[in-house]
Amino acid sequence: DAKTTQPNSMESNEEEPVHLPCNHSTISGTDYIHWYRQLPSQGPEYVIHGLTSNVNNRMASLAIAEDRKSSTLILHRATLRDAAVYYCILRDVRNAGNNRKLIWGLGTSLAVNP
Amino acid sequence: EAQVTQNPRYLITVTGKKLTVTCSQNMNHEYMSWYRQDPGLGLRQIYYSMNVEVTDKGDVPEGYKVSRKEKRNFPLILESPSPNQTSLYFCASGVGTSNQPQHFGDGTRLSIL
Repeated sequence: DAKTTQPNSMESNEEEPVHLPCNHSTISGTDYIHWYRQLPSQGPEYVIHGLTSNVNNRMASLAIAEDRKSSTLILHRATLRDAAVYYCILRDVRNAGNNRKLIWGLGTSLAVNP
Repeated sequence: EAQVTQNPRYLITVTGKKLTVTCSQNMNHEYMSWYRQDPGLGLRQIYYSMNVEVTDKGDVPEGYKVSRKEKRNFPLILESPSPNQTSLYFCASGVGTSNQPQHFGDGTRLSIL
């Protein structure tokens, strides 16, 4: 499975946009890019995923570089509730068997200042 | 409301005393999985189940057992717990295709003394 690299921590101010980067230089053509987040004292929560095109949903946007070697999760207006650890995960759609396993790095711990 | 429910949320017990952590999902998901989360190591998969009566080992299965007799339930069993199993445990469930999101419970914090 391809690996991802994320900064250990980032800081933002409330109401401002946040750009969380993820590098995945060994990504294959069949790897989807998934983002999850884990709020304090809670289980991980799905945020967004994409393959090649940029994606938007009610929680965030995902910007994927043209060469797919990096991506950025965008929170348009950070709130205090967005303080969490954000995980960038690659999932290969070709994998048979246990293709649903998520391989977790240590993620980026986002602090949001009031 | 779609939910993955784990019980108990917290447990302190002693070495060797058998325990079971229950996990139940109400989304009719085929796939269920157990992870443990330890500082500096992230989440690691313990066991998973592709469907009823189908289970398999994940990356760190030693010391754990699971069963999948019903689609909604996937209990994690520690037959003889040891202190190195002190950890935060998460149950997850998902649908049949790999790109659908997985849903996680709120976790069970186990302390084995």
